[in-house]
Amino acid sequence: AQTVTQSQPEMSVQEAETVTLSCTYDTSENNYYLFWYKQPPSRQMILVIRQEAYKQQNATENRFSVNFQKAAKSFSLKISDSQLGDTAMYFCAFILEYGNKLVFGAGTILRVKS
Amino acid sequence: KAGVTQTPRYLIKTRGQQVTLSCSPISGHRSVSWYQQTPGQGLQFLFEYFSETQRNKGNFPGRFSGRQFSNSRSEMNVSTLELGDSALYLCASSPRDPGVGDEQYFGPGTRLTVT
Repeated sequence: AQTVTQSQPEMSVQEAETVTLSCTYDTSENNYYLFWYKQPPSRQMILVIRQEAYKQQNATENRFSVNFQKAAKSFSLKISDSQLGDTAMYFCAFILEYGNKLVFGAGTILRVKS
Repeated sequence: KAGVTQTPRYLIKTRGQQVTLSCSPISGHRSVSWYQQTPGQGLQFLFEYFSETQRNKGNFPGRFSGRQFSNSRSEMNVSTLELGDSALYLCASSPRDPGVGDEQYFGPGTRLTVT
């Protein structure tokens, strides 16, 4: 069975600073996709960034980047220049290639303080 | 393009009743998935439909069922409601098979409260 673990239930960061959210996952498969989703207080789930497991290059999307370590089964999210609008619950998620269900971690609540 | 829409947004039901939730995917999207979100269990996969076929179902009792219509709209039904069914039910759609790594676009959710 595939599992996703987010070990940080809550984190805080000052505006304009950098924060890293941790995620580890477990699978015996070799091909899969990883995602970070953001869920602000409105509850609307928004994709932040995605990573294909077969790509060694870490994905980046503006202020968001990942550190993907396939051997360690680790997929952390770095948010640079944090903004108040980044305050949200962040979910790490995983889907097998040719699978049809996302497996989510428990989430990390991120609070950006002014 | 309009996003994923879910109706109703809020619902209050009594134990023992049944409920039907509706999801309209983004136009052209063929896959619709449903997730249950609760404070205790987090986000859990309910089912996935592709071209009117249920391809996968999560570990939920038979009281939870769903279907997809030819226009890709989907409904899920929960019969004999229990207090533990209180949750935010999220629908997500993707243009192709989710397993090719496409983004799943989520709707705003239906908040179900069972009293």
